[in-house]
Amino acid sequence: DIQMTQSPSSLSASVGDRVTITCRASQGIRNSLAWFQQKPGKAPKSLIYAASSLQSGVPSKFSGSGSGTDFTLTISGLQPEDFATYYCQQYDSYPLTFGGGTKVEIK
Amino acid sequence: EMQLVESGGGLVQPGGSLRLSCAASGFTFSDHYMDWVRQAPGKGLEWVGRTRNKANSYTTEYAASVKGRFTISRDGAENSLYLQMNSLKTEDTAVYYCARVSGIFYYMDVWGKGTTVTVSS
Repeated sequence: DIQMTQSPSSLSASVGDRVTITCRASQGIRNSLAWFQQKPGKAPKSLIYAASSLQSGVPSKFSGSGSGTDFTLTISGLQPEDFATYYCQQYDSYPLTFGGGTKVEIK
Repeated sequence: EMQLVESGGGLVQPGGSLRLSCAASGFTFSDHYMDWVRQAPGKGLEWVGRTRNKANSYTTEYAASVKGRFTISRDGAENSLYLQMNSLKTEDTAVYYCARVSGIFYYMDVWGKGTTVTVSS
């Protein structure tokens, strides 16, 4: 199975900050990586697919990069509605696997 | 508007069975792979399984943790996805989400709100 390791597991940031979350795959997954945002008590929401493509309707302050084993999600100009938990997920091979999540909290 | 609505969750004893449903609308159901994903209380997301589309004969894949106990099926006429869960364990307690898989890049692009399953005596 492909292990997805996210870092950090949590971070504190201020409104207006730029934050970067990293995701590392235990083996190469090409660009078969998605990012999701989840708020407490809500379903996950798709943000990024194919490592760097923005899901329709998602603001451009979210961006993704990477290929192979190392990926990043960047949020520019953090707003109150962006405080949430973010997950990466590989869909290159079965079983599909998620990272452990990164909780973005208000400083 | 594309929509997925799960139902069927509840309280069940260890060793029992439960069938979850996911009603799909706003898209051509038979064209899409569909996934089940779960989230135990206070934990991260765990993929449960997938059913492929009609063109791929609705074949299925499962996580090792549920293989042999859970079965994914779908009813094209009803635009519904199902998760039959047998031999339930306390560790199956979770919110269960159904998700549509994008037709091109095979990622989960539309999610339902989830249904809660509690396995407890």
